[in-house]
Amino acid sequence: KAGVTQTPRYLIKTRGQQVTLSCSPISGHRSVSWYQQTPGQGLQFLFEYFSETQRNKGNFPGRFSGRQFSNSRSEMNVSTLELGDSALYLCASSLTGKGDYEQYFGPGTRLTVT
Amino acid sequence: GNSVTQMEGPVTLSEEAFLTINCTYTATGYPSLFWYVQYPGEGLQLLLKATKADDKGSNKGFEATYRKETTSFHLEKGSVQVSDSAVYFCALSASGGSYIPTFGRGTSLIVHP
Repeated sequence: KAGVTQTPRYLIKTRGQQVTLSCSPISGHRSVSWYQQTPGQGLQFLFEYFSETQRNKGNFPGRFSGRQFSNSRSEMNVSTLELGDSALYLCASSLTGKGDYEQYFGPGTRLTVT
Repeated sequence: GNSVTQMEGPVTLSEEAFLTINCTYTATGYPSLFWYVQYPGEGLQLLLKATKADDKGSNKGFEATYRKETTSFHLEKGSVQVSDSAVYFCALSASGGSYIPTFGRGTSLIVHP
């Protein structure tokens, strides 16, 4: 079974631009979560989608948004990029997001904002 | 709210040394507990898990026991290898309310030959 895939793997953007990251979950998984990982803050939860609906949201500004499609693939968008948005963005999928909630992570997208 | 506290790293060991990475948690109810590992340049991988008190999770020589009385889930390995060098994350998933997992800050392990 194919794992979680994320595209692109690396991105360099300029401050003020916007960016869209993509995540394809494991086949059959309906829950997709996004995390931001930085050396200073560690792993921070952005949001979770289940059946095309945002089910949970972390404490990030409205510049961070996401969506999920009917095939469970998910995208996240960051508008008006700031230098502090430079991070590794991780996507994780799970069957339902409930119960013992075992997540499967993708390799991440490394975003650099200059 | 829920929280996970891990020992700060880096933890530096020689090959074949014994490893312990401490993890304690605060949660309501009866959470499930996890250890994830992140190798350089990669995402997180589930290493092991335990879903109820006194359960022992194990994988690839790593073990952790769910201790409800001490709210701990310490990771151990009897003999580490250079290939175990990575960042290890302790996490919990609460049994009620939001199922969003809570992660610790991660502990970097460096194993020297």
